[in-house]
Amino acid sequence: EVQLVESGGGLVKPGGSLRLSCAASGFTFSSYSMKWVRQAPGKGLEWVSSISNSNNYMYYADSVKGRFTISRDNAKNSLYLQMNSLRAEDTAVYYCARAPVPYSTSSGIDYWGQGTLVTVSS
Amino acid sequence: QLVVTQSPSASASLGASVKLTCTLSSGHSTYAAAWHQQQPEKGPRYLMQVNSDGSHIKGDGIPDRFSGSGSGAERYLTISSLQSEDEADYYCQTWGTGIQVFGTGTKVTVL
Repeated sequence: EVQLVESGGGLVKPGGSLRLSCAASGFTFSSYSMKWVRQAPGKGLEWVSSISNSNNYMYYADSVKGRFTISRDNAKNSLYLQMNSLRAEDTAVYYCARAPVPYSTSSGIDYWGQGTLVTVSS
Repeated sequence: QLVVTQSPSASASLGASVKLTCTLSSGHSTYAAAWHQQQPEKGPRYLMQVNSDGSHIKGDGIPDRFSGSGSGAERYLTISSLQSEDEADYYCQTWGTGIQVFGTGTKVTVL
């Protein structure tokens, strides 16, 4: 069974940093690209970042480019999101998600984690 | 620019059917799209991918009541025999190299 479990969310002041983690199990993690998607309170889904299966390609939404860094450790079956220079508008539930096609750098999402809440407030 | 357009709301009676539409932006009619369901206070769940030829690939355990189809730049999600638990937000998603795009979601109300 595919499982994605996020952690690392919490309350942080504007300008601060936070690192999210996603522990993956139930599939060959190193074969699939992964993504972070967020959802602000009462709002829709917003793609944040994607990373290829082998760490070769990383992509970011314009809203986080230069502030967030996606990474992965295939030996630990883990995905990360380093968030710096956080703003109030980054407040959201952050979801880890898997792409459905192995080795593809351009595909959708077929599994979601349960999410972790990040609140940016003074 | 890759954009996904959805109607904000839809409703139908218990046991009836509802068809949701997702429209891809001009020049992107060959793109696949995925549908995700988000029930109140829960995370999203993948329902299916709908390809440009109208074929669809369902997620694990998705009931037969959910089906997908497509025509031109439109990708559809049809929910038959509506149940109370189908009351949720439904998001359409598409993608290209290095980008993922979500629609604003359609809120389905079961009357």
